Amino acid sequence: GAVVSQHPSWVICKSGTSVKIECRSLDFQATTMFWYRQFPKQSLMLMATSNEGSKATYEQGVEKDKFLINHASLTLSTLTVTSAHPEDSSFYICSAITGQGITYGYTFGSGTRLTVV
Amino acid sequence: QQQVKQSPQSLIVQKGGISIINCAYENTAFDYFPWYQQFPGKGPALLIAIRPDVSEKKEGRFTISFNKSAKQFSLHIMDSQPGDSATYFCAASMADSWGKLQFGAGTQVVVTP
Repeated sequence: GAVVSQHPSWVICKSGTSVKIECRSLDFQATTMFWYRQFPKQSLMLMATSNEGSKATYEQGVEKDKFLINHASLTLSTLTVTSAHPEDSSFYICSAITGQGITYGYTFGSGTRLTVV
Repeated sequence: QQQVKQSPQSLIVQKGGISIINCAYENTAFDYFPWYQQFPGKGPALLIAIRPDVSEKKEGRFTISFNKSAKQFSLHIMDSQPGDSATYFCAASMADSWGKLQFGAGTQVVVTP
């Protein structure tokens, strides 16, 4: 089945630095990927939709200058948290659309635990 | 505004029992209704999914029941096992809205030995 690989699985960074999270589709081409944020014991909150070769579409309230998304190829999307602060500490998850037409579905990465100290 | 409403928030069931989680939606354009299982520190994993042309789908111990007229769908976990203890999310999407998944709030299921 379709596999989405997300790295790193966890990262600790100092306040003010930037962190890059990678999301790769291993055995399929992902035209569209999504980035989510999840706080403890809460549901997934969609941050942005990433389309290969074009600018990402951000959900309302998500700072596009803080959360930079790049989808330069059909197998790689990256999320960069710029000038990270402790309130950015969260679980970040990517997903990709698989299949097409009436058979479409979604595959999720394993998530990245970001801790900003 | 949450487009998919999920209940209960948490559930405790004995080993061998049935876990039932319910979801309701408003948007009749939704055409894909998946259930995800998530363990702590991991991404969601697809458990089972249904499309609106069928009323029930069964895969092993997991069954989705779908009621299109009531705009409700539910997950039944038969013969619940301690390894089923996880958080379960229902979701819905439609192909013509950039494919965005709308998640329910989640249900934490604990299966006691």
